[in-house]
Amino acid sequence: KAGVTQTPRYLIKTRGQQVTLSCSPISGHRSVSWYQQTPGQGLQFLFEYFSETQRNKGNFPGRFSGRQFSNSRSEMNVSTLELGDSALYLCASSLTGTVNSPLHFGNGTRLTVT
Amino acid sequence: DQQVKQNSPSLSVQEGRISILNCDYTNSMFDYFLWYKKYPAEGPTFLISISSIKDKNEDGRFTVFLNKSAKHLSLHIVPSQPGDSAVYFCAARLTGNQFYFGTGTSLTVIP
Repeated sequence: KAGVTQTPRYLIKTRGQQVTLSCSPISGHRSVSWYQQTPGQGLQFLFEYFSETQRNKGNFPGRFSGRQFSNSRSEMNVSTLELGDSALYLCASSLTGTVNSPLHFGNGTRLTVT
Repeated sequence: DQQVKQNSPSLSVQEGRISILNCDYTNSMFDYFLWYKKYPAEGPTFLISISSIKDKNEDGRFTVFLNKSAKHLSLHIVPSQPGDSAVYFCAARLTGNQFYFGTGTSLTVIP
């Protein structure tokens, strides 16, 4: 069974630009979550999608947005990039999101903003 | 506001001995707790979990203990192996599928 796939693996952008990251969940998983990992901050929850609907949202500004498609694939968009957005962005999928189902992570997209 | 804390950034253990990784949380509404292992340049890998209605869960060399009154979670690895060297994150779930993660503990198992 293929794992969670994130593309691209690495991105370099300049301040003010926007970026779109992509995530394909494990087959059969309908919940997709996004996390930001920075040194010293651990993993910070961005948002979670289930059946194409955003179900939970973390404390990030509106520049961070996402969506989920009918095949459960998800995209995350960051507009007007700032230097502080440089981080590893991790996507995770889980079976239903309502029972005790662990998150399964992709290898992440490393975003560098210059 | 860090609701899940791992106060030890690093831990070194001799091969064959027990590794104990600790995690404290503040929110009594967390209902599901997990441990993840992370190697550089890879995403976290799920290790073991425990529901808030239990106090212990075991899977091979890995055992997770939950002390709800102390709001404390620990992971025991016995015996520790060099391949266990990685960063370990604890996580706790709140409503729906929103998880809070600790900042990680880097474990080094010395051969």
